[in-house]
Amino acid sequence: DGGITQSPKYLFRKEGQNVTLSCEQNLNHDAMYWYRQDPGQGLRLIYYSQIVNDFQKGDIAEGYSVSREKKESFPLTVTSAQKNPTAFYLCASSNDRGSPLHFGNGTRLTVT
Amino acid sequence: AQTVTQSQPEMSVQEAETVTLSCTYDTSENNYYLFWYKQPPSRQMILVIRQEAYKQQNATENRFSVNFQKAAKSFSLKISDSQLGDTAMYFCAYWAPLTGTASKLTFGTGTRLQVTL
Repeated sequence: DGGITQSPKYLFRKEGQNVTLSCEQNLNHDAMYWYRQDPGQGLRLIYYSQIVNDFQKGDIAEGYSVSREKKESFPLTVTSAQKNPTAFYLCASSNDRGSPLHFGNGTRLTVT
Repeated sequence: AQTVTQSQPEMSVQEAETVTLSCTYDTSENNYYLFWYKQPPSRQMILVIRQEAYKQQNATENRFSVNFQKAAKSFSLKISDSQLGDTAMYFCAYWAPLTGTASKLTFGTGTRLQVTL
């Protein structure tokens, strides 16, 4: 079955360390996205990518970085510059304009 | 900038009853899409229903239907015959056009729905 795989499900890191969240899709979708979810704030867009080797900042990109070397992969790095990294992170993909986003199961990152 | 407002942080409904979740949005666009997503305790985001702004007919998916009022910028979700499995966070989302094929969804803050016996 086609879908989006995020790994790991839970991630723990010490403050000051960079950490990379994995996102892989086999839906052959062109566009991929990273959202952050915090209690009471809905989902906020971090980065998105329309094609390989291209990506754009979303609403809250500071302290994050991404790469898109392959169509199926869009990893997110949470750097030590992100002031409040503990959150639930969701990866998504889409193909056509106005089409619903398909979401992965998310990664819960805890930084202490 | 587009904004999506869900004014009901929490709601409760008894099994088999009907409940309506509210959503308003702000946009200057004429052609756009609106969505309702459900997030159960598993935290998986599940598409519930999709509405195209240029279609006047309200979208329906089984027990889920919307009341789309374009002039009022309102997009409420009605759940009929509520079931225990409907317990979840519900997010209203607005699709804004970007360049190319990318679609940016702007989400509301969500409504937590509890279905009780």
